Amino acid sequence: QAGLTQPPSVSKGLRQTATLTCTGNSNNVGNQGAAWLQQHQGHPPKLLSYRNNNRPSGISERFSASRSGNTASLTITGLQPEDEADYYCSAWDSSLSAHVFGTGTKVTVL
Amino acid sequence: EVQLVESGGGLVQPGGSLRLSCAASGFTFSSYAMNWVRQAPGKGLEWVSYISSSSSTIYYADSVRGRFTISRDNVKNSLYLQMNSLRAEDTAVYYCARDYRSIDYWGQGTLVTVAS
Repeated sequence: QAGLTQPPSVSKGLRQTATLTCTGNSNNVGNQGAAWLQQHQGHPPKLLSYRNNNRPSGISERFSASRSGNTASLTITGLQPEDEADYYCSAWDSSLSAHVFGTGTKVTVL
Repeated sequence: EVQLVESGGGLVQPGGSLRLSCAASGFTFSSYAMNWVRQAPGKGLEWVSYISSSSSTIYYADSVRGRFTISRDNVKNSLYLQMNSLRAEDTAVYYCARDYRSIDYWGQGTLVTVAS
């Protein structure tokens, strides 16, 4: 199954803003939107937002998501050391009848 | 609190079989669809299989279709993955994950290693 495309890495300074992108097609991201997951080394993924910009309870407002066409974005404001992690997008693909994941973006806080 | 606890992983030879289990608690298991997702060492996430709340709808990734079987027991609040004809490329941490508008809660995972 084809995946979603993410840049491999993003590096920003402490308290700066990082924007991550996730590109799919009209069957997945462009259909029901994307979810964003954060994964620290050695831990399971954690949901940050779903269907573009719905945050589960307990998720910081520093994480905000959006979508334009077939591309979803996650913006992290006021970067903190604990934000260093891998970030994945995911979406349901109605054509494949499958969940598809992004290739992942490693965020480094300088 | 939602809890998903996987078990059943381990070392298996190529061509062998393994059955993974996932014990769910903290939510009404029978009301939610569930998934298995895996992650090979140092790699990204790969969706494996989906099962609806009543087991009426099941989907598989192309890479496992015909070899893996997903099932659930809503009385025992448990999810299963029967894995047959295992290959080296199936080596990964396997996560049990709840499905609600997206994949929302994840277990800690269980490691499956396929090697001789």
